[in-house]
Amino acid sequence: SQQGEEDPQALSIQEGENATMNCSYKTSINNLQWYRQNSGRGLVHLILIRSNEREKHSGRLRVTLDTSKKSSSLLITASRAADTASYFCATYNAGNMLTFGGGTRLMVKP
Amino acid sequence: DTGVSQNPRHKITKRGQNVTFRCDPISEHNRLYWYRQTLGQGPEFLTYFQNEAQLEKSRLLSDRFSAERPKGSFSTLEIQRTEQGDSAMYLCASSSTGGRGAYGYTFGSGTRLTVV
Repeated sequence: SQQGEEDPQALSIQEGENATMNCSYKTSINNLQWYRQNSGRGLVHLILIRSNEREKHSGRLRVTLDTSKKSSSLLITASRAADTASYFCATYNAGNMLTFGGGTRLMVKP
Repeated sequence: DTGVSQNPRHKITKRGQNVTFRCDPISEHNRLYWYRQTLGQGPEFLTYFQNEAQLEKSRLLSDRFSAERPKGSFSTLEIQRTEQGDSAMYLCASSSTGGRGAYGYTFGSGTRLTVV
């Protein structure tokens, strides 16, 4: 079963615009992580936010976490064509493994 | 160390045949995970090892599936009597043991299985 659900399922924007993806989950977590997957490839870890953190930045990425609403968002600023990929949120809980959502497919048009 | 390595990259097999995939994790990582991903979906957990011990298995892992991690190094995932529904990307990942899952996973490029 998939714990996280991303919204939207697909997003198309112009280069230079910001992209926001949302993730909702169901049970309590230790941390939440975001991954990127280029077509036909493995997943690449982007950023991890712990349950006691509310916001985290890494380069052009900004992640927020609201544990009261069981939701997270990933913001990519000043998007580039190379950001075109699928983005997945994944929750880590006491079960000691990551549970992934269905992903958001982002297309950045040059 | 060049990351997590999976072999083969692609496998086409006839229904009913057995297939085996191999994963070589990052050498310092003591945890190894197998996931399955179908087109347009997120990865689904199959099983994980801490060192050589298999600690968790998903209900997705029917009795046709078996995974091993001898000596806590590389791992193999075998599917016996393959079915068309087994067609998917099989992903392997490894991580260190961190407090409260403090580290992200490093994924391999996956093995794409097609059952014809």
